[in-house]
Amino acid sequence: KQEVTQIPAALSVPEGENLVLNCSFTDSAIYNLQWFRQDPGKGLTSLLLIQSSQREQTSGRLNASLDKSSGRSTLYIAASQPGDSATYLCAAVTSNDYKLSFGAGTTVTVRA
Amino acid sequence: GAVVSQHPSWVICKSGTSVKIECRSLDFQATTMFWYRQFPKQSLMLMATSNEGSKATYEQGVEKDKFLINHASLTLSTLTVTSAHPEDSSFYICSAERVSGANVLTFGAGSRLTVL
Repeated sequence: KQEVTQIPAALSVPEGENLVLNCSFTDSAIYNLQWFRQDPGKGLTSLLLIQSSQREQTSGRLNASLDKSSGRSTLYIAASQPGDSATYLCAAVTSNDYKLSFGAGTTVTVRA
Repeated sequence: GAVVSQHPSWVICKSGTSVKIECRSLDFQATTMFWYRQFPKQSLMLMATSNEGSKATYEQGVEKDKFLINHASLTLSTLTVTSAHPEDSSFYICSAERVSGANVLTFGAGSRLTVL
């Protein structure tokens, strides 16, 4: 069974600092890996999707890398802003059953 | 872009009553919809996979008689929490997969259920 872990559980940084969020997964046979943002009491917003054959994806200030061999993905957020404060979830889709397994998330607070 | 609507977004009910949550794909057809629940500070847990026109597939530990799922059309799936109890209080989120595949899911905004 795929297990997805996100460390740290919470992170607080001053505005302007770069953010590094970590995600690890136990089963390297993944179809893709996605990063989501969740605001308090709200649903999920998809940020980046990395296919199994890719090593990274970029969108604006966001960059996500994928290393299947080590079972890791990292989300980088450059020049953080208070509006980036949210919980970030990663989720891996395993190849054998196409099920999505979520991490518990990293709650980010960007201080103005 | 793809939009999934969930209704209601927030519901309070008395213990013992049933609550229905709707999940609609507004601008695309979804053969498959997924239902998740999320307890505070925890990750989303898949409850069941709903396929249009067939019975839902439930994850281990999820009571199918308590969480009734109906996927009557390509744009609508419903989750009914029957005889709700306070421990059923949670945040329920649905997601829909486009018919065309690509395995990209669109998530609803979620429904917060509070059972008194």
